[in-house]
Amino acid sequence: EAGVAQSPRYKIIEKRQSVAFWCNPISGHATLYWYQQILGQGPKLLIQFQNNGVVDDSQLPKDRFSAERLKGVDSTLKIQPAKLEDSAVYLCASSSPKGQILSYNEQFFGPGTRLTVL
Amino acid sequence: QKEVEQNSGPLSVPEGAIASLNCTYSDRGSQSFFWYRQYSGKSPELIMSIYSNGDKEDGRFTAQLNKASQYVSLLIRDSQPSDSATYLCATMGGRGAQKLVFGQGTRLTINP
Repeated sequence: EAGVAQSPRYKIIEKRQSVAFWCNPISGHATLYWYQQILGQGPKLLIQFQNNGVVDDSQLPKDRFSAERLKGVDSTLKIQPAKLEDSAVYLCASSSPKGQILSYNEQFFGPGTRLTVL
Repeated sequence: QKEVEQNSGPLSVPEGAIASLNCTYSDRGSQSFFWYRQYSGKSPELIMSIYSNGDKEDGRFTAQLNKASQYVSLLIRDSQPSDSATYLCATMGGRGAQKLVFGQGTRLTINP
């Protein structure tokens, strides 16, 4: 079974530029997540999709970040304009629930995109 | 108070010994608990999940959960140099529903 795919793996941009990341989840996984991981910290959820609908985007800086999952499969995360503090690894994860309890679902991560903002 | 707290380490353990990693959480409604291993420059890899009080064993790994004390631990028996990594504790459920809330991770070094 193929894992979560992400691209690009690395990106270097200057502040105020825009950037986009792509994610393709594990086949059949309805739930897709974007996390931001700053060096030395645990990942922090930015947005969660269930199929093509947003479940939680409470920690997404909506003035500069946007995400979509139009057909309920792959997803893109965009930053426009980027700030220095956006330098981080952006992780995509997907999951499929085990049984009826939604919180019993194991999330599997892609390789991540390392973003450096200069 | 952080929602999930871990000692950031580094934790240094000799090869062959038992490594013990600890985690506490603040949301009493949390239902699911996970341990992820993250090698430097890599993404988190799920190694254990636990949902009910007690112990869960998988090979050299044992996860322990005590919901009354809001405490989760991971034991690694017969530690190997390849176990050297950052271990992330995460919870799900409660206020966060399906959202994983991570601790900052504990950096573990196994010394040959």
